[in-house]
Amino acid sequence: SQTIHQWPATLVQPVGSPLSLECTVEGTSNPNLYWYRQAAGRGLQLLFYSVGIGQISSEVPQNLSASRPQDRQFILSSKKLLLSDSGFYLCAWASGTSVYNEQFFGPGTRLTVL
Amino acid sequence: AQSVTQLDSHVSVSEGTPVLLRCNYSSSYSPSLFWYVQHPNKGLQLLLKYTSAATLVKGINGFEAEFKKSETSFHLTKPSAHMSDAAEYFCVVILLRGSTLGRLYFGRGTQLTVWP
Repeated sequence: SQTIHQWPATLVQPVGSPLSLECTVEGTSNPNLYWYRQAAGRGLQLLFYSVGIGQISSEVPQNLSASRPQDRQFILSSKKLLLSDSGFYLCAWASGTSVYNEQFFGPGTRLTVL
Repeated sequence: AQSVTQLDSHVSVSEGTPVLLRCNYSSSYSPSLFWYVQHPNKGLQLLLKYTSAATLVKGINGFEAEFKKSETSFHLTKPSAHMSDAAEYFCVVILLRGSTLGRLYFGRGTQLTVWP
């Protein structure tokens, strides 16, 4: 069966510090991968998606970046965090066989920027 | 344009009573529709999905949803609420973005409270 992991589960970082969040998927190949942010009291905002190794699409301009160094690894990064980067970050995967496939979400990372 | 509208930001019910969480969508094509549930500080879990087969879709934990094209609705129901159902629920639609990648549009969520 497929599983998706995210770490760390929680993170507290000072403003201006770097960030690296990792997401890995097991039990599937060539997944589409996604990063979402969920701010308090708001819905989910799609940040990045990837259909293959090294292929990253950005949904919104921001100081975050994403990379996909391996087929089942998706990394969210920042060189300098802002207060507004605080939130709950969710990674998701979907089968690449159909555009109508549901997405499966990881457990999330709670990021607090102080 | 808003693709998914969850009509209630909060719903409160007593344990054992029916649950109704409302969702309307807008789409030029036949959509794929989903309901997800999120417990506090957890990821989203898929409850059920509609992909143009039967209009009444049964999901996990006793939930079901009915796709009504004439009303552009996909309301989530459960006959009898349980305390463990207290969570946030998201209605989601997949629309093609003009490329081969489907894009999920999330409603703003409905917070379900279940009273003992």
